[in-house]
Amino acid sequence: DAKTTQPNSMESNEEEPVHLPCNHSTISGTDYIHWYRQLPSQGPEYVIHGLTSNVNNRMASLAIAEDRKSSTLILHRATLRDAAVYYCILLTSGTYKYIFGTGTRLKVLA
Amino acid sequence: DTGVSQDPRHKITKRGQNVTFRCDPISEHNRLYWYRQTLGQGPEFLTYFQNEAQLEKSRLLSDRFSAERPKGSFSTLEIQRTEQGDSAMYLCASHMIPSEAEQFFGPGTRLTVL
Repeated sequence: DAKTTQPNSMESNEEEPVHLPCNHSTISGTDYIHWYRQLPSQGPEYVIHGLTSNVNNRMASLAIAEDRKSSTLILHRATLRDAAVYYCILLTSGTYKYIFGTGTRLKVLA
Repeated sequence: DTGVSQDPRHKITKRGQNVTFRCDPISEHNRLYWYRQTLGQGPEFLTYFQNEAQLEKSRLLSDRFSAERPKGSFSTLEIQRTEQGDSAMYLCASHMIPSEAEQFFGPGTRLTVL
């Protein structure tokens, strides 16, 4: 199973953009890149996913490198409610199984 | 609310007791997954079902753990002879395959073994 690498923690000021990086150098051609976030004492919450092209939704944007070996989750204006652990995960079509890492703990400063 | 429910939300038990957790997935989803999460770690995959068939079990799942999904609907996870190391959050997720779309997670069951 392909693995991802993320920084353990990041900080951002409220209402500023946040760029959360993820490395996945062993990604295969059929692996989708998924991002989730998890608030304390809750289950993970889906944020966004993509394959090759950049993706936007109401929560965030996903920028995928041309070689697909890295990606960046972009929160355009961080709010205090965005403070969470963010996980970058590869989903392999066929098994559809998630292998979580330890994620990035995002702290948002008022 | 993702549409996936888990019961109970919290369980405190004494070492050596058996416990059973239930997960009700989104009704049309054919895949159901169980994960375990300890403090400061990401969720660890335990097992998954496609309809009623259990297709894979992690090496983390010792013989004391058993899971079922009768009739391909709800699922149960039983832990026999609980140990303090079993204390964790147990998460359930459901998914419709084939699809690259997301899994939907329940709120989890937090188990504390005294």
